Amino acid sequence: GAGVSQTPSNKVTEKGKYVELRCDPISGHTALYWYRQSLGQGPEFLIYFQGTGAADDSGLPNDRFFAVRPEGSVSTLKIQRTERGDSAVYLCASSSLPLGGRTPMNTEAFFGQGTRLTVV
Amino acid sequence: SQQGEEDPQALSIQEGENATMNCSYKTSINNLQWYRQNSGRGLVHLILIRSNEREKHSGRLRVTLDTSKKSSSLLITASRAADTASYFCATVYLTGANSKLTFGKGITLSVRP
Repeated sequence: GAGVSQTPSNKVTEKGKYVELRCDPISGHTALYWYRQSLGQGPEFLIYFQGTGAADDSGLPNDRFFAVRPEGSVSTLKIQRTERGDSAVYLCASSSLPLGGRTPMNTEAFFGQGTRLTVV
Repeated sequence: SQQGEEDPQALSIQEGENATMNCSYKTSINNLQWYRQNSGRGLVHLILIRSNEREKHSGRLRVTLDTSKKSSSLLITASRAADTASYFCATVYLTGANSKLTFGKGITLSVRP
């Protein structure tokens, strides 16, 4: 597609329920990132995929959070036993190359519009 | 945790004036990027500066980087009401495996018509 697509755009769920958030990156982008943003804060890193594998999952807050990218394109962020503190905007981004490291050409990330998750 | 800190936290200026936003960070970086966000949703990339660069321009944007002071500034010249948004600096660490953007808390810019 033309840009990064996230669905749903809004999700309201009850405390304790399970939710899945979907990210469809730009076609051909091998790197995919999930971030979480609370009101008045900057985006907080959750997990980074390079292809199908999670290259860095150090930002996942606890074992209720899990993400997959089985075919190296679409990714799903899964949250079990949701808590009110999980309420935030969940942002997905993709890039054609890793953002840093040994790549000769630094690149930018393209963000989706986010999913606003509200746990009541 | 958030790597960078932007300053000021909020900025209000008149249309036509220049807006200067600053960012400081803590560890060695590969590159630094500035993003803009409207209404708390998707972020849009504005400009990227590599660690071996000191200044870059893009349209009305000018970004500087001082690696000795671990700081960057973003200048928007001749501001417009449409520039009203939140602005974030984000760093990419130097280490090869750590390929992610680490954001600051952001600056809220209001441009009065």
